[in-house]
Amino acid sequence: DAKTTQPNSMESNEEEPVHLPCNHSTISGTDYIHWYRQLPSQGPEYVIHGLTSNVNNRMASLAIAEDRKSSTLILHRATLRDAAVYYCILMGSGGSNYKLTFGKGTLLTVNP
Amino acid sequence: DAGITQSPRHKVTETGTPVTLRCHQTENHRYMYWYRQDPGHGLRLIHYSYGVKDTDKGEVSDGYSVSRSKTEDFLLTLESATSSQTSVYFCAISENRGHSYNEQFFGPGTRLTVL
Repeated sequence: DAKTTQPNSMESNEEEPVHLPCNHSTISGTDYIHWYRQLPSQGPEYVIHGLTSNVNNRMASLAIAEDRKSSTLILHRATLRDAAVYYCILMGSGGSNYKLTFGKGTLLTVNP
Repeated sequence: DAGITQSPRHKVTETGTPVTLRCHQTENHRYMYWYRQDPGHGLRLIHYSYGVKDTDKGEVSDGYSVSRSKTEDFLLTLESATSSQTSVYFCAISENRGHSYNEQFFGPGTRLTVL
């Protein structure tokens, strides 16, 4: 499976934008980029995913580099509830293989 | 929230005893997964199921078995629990209707302690 590299931790202030980077230089042409987050004492939850084009949903935006070797999850206005571990995951397209391989993620701290 | 429950939510057991964790879904999703989460490791896939009676191993399947006799239930069994299996266990489900619709929904987790 292609690997991703994320910073161990990042800090932000409440109501400011947050840009969470992810490097995936060995991504294959059919790998989708998924982001999940895990709030304290909860299971992970889906945030967003994309293939080539930038994506927006109610939770966040995903900006994908033109060469697809990196991506950035954007939280437009961080709230205290956004404090979590954020995981960038590549999902392959082989057959029925829809398994997620979690790395250690980025621990986001949001300061009031 | 997706209808996923896990039972028990907390369990303390002794080394050598059998343990079964249950994941129950009300979403009729085809795929179900068991993960474990340990400090410093993130989540690791133990086993998954792609249909009734259809299961496959994940990256850390040694010491674990699973069964899925109906769509809504996925059981994880530790035949003889060891202290190294002390962990938080998460169940997840997904529909897998293609790459645009394969979001995984996670349960609340089961905290297992093996003494």
